[in-house]
Amino acid sequence: QKEVEQNSGPLSVPEGAIASLNCTYSDRGSQSFFWYRQYSGKSPELIMFIYSNGDKEDGRFTAQLNKASQYVSLLIRDSQPSDSATYLCAVNTGKLIFGQGTTLQVKP
Amino acid sequence: GAVVSQHPSWVICKSGTSVKIECRSLDFQATTMFWYRQFPKQSLMLMATSNEGSKATYEQGVEKDKFLINHASLTLSTLTVTSAHPEDSSFYICSATWEPNQPQHFGDGTRLSIL
Repeated sequence: QKEVEQNSGPLSVPEGAIASLNCTYSDRGSQSFFWYRQYSGKSPELIMFIYSNGDKEDGRFTAQLNKASQYVSLLIRDSQPSDSATYLCAVNTGKLIFGQGTTLQVKP
Repeated sequence: GAVVSQHPSWVICKSGTSVKIECRSLDFQATTMFWYRQFPKQSLMLMATSNEGSKATYEQGVEKDKFLINHASLTLSTLTVTSAHPEDSSFYICSATWEPNQPQHFGDGTRLSIL
């Protein structure tokens, strides 16, 4: 079992819709969770981080964490074509473990 | 805030050459810096973790004699790929953080092509 799992996609949503990206992790002791966005050919850019169970909102982005279910998600409201990228879930287990990434396509 | 600068952006060189990549934290003191490698259509793979003033910790399978890491100050880490060969061609990315549980902030990456 991979330490951090994501559906590789692509996830295709129309412009203006809500995109929902999901991630599961195996290490129950993990304390911090991160979402990075990576455009093709570029390095990752931090979008959100979350440490506690529940929701954390920042603009159009909401990160959700459920430690009991070992599940973290990212919601993007009012999706824009510029949101089209690969979204990497990362879990801090003492070092940052990345999932394979989910490719999001937002169609105009 | 939290800007990490990485140079050079692109390197093309002949097989057998050694290449040095610099990673600088511009507006914070980076107690820990990380070096990753990413092959096309794959996720980031951690190569090594370096703490200021101490030896880097390499991940399993990463040759420490080939990938030399120096973290001489709280704002600068360097990765030297020694005697590079075509199979070392990849996208190398550094990141930095000021505290272990805090987010890592990434440099823009260095695309290395060995001919």
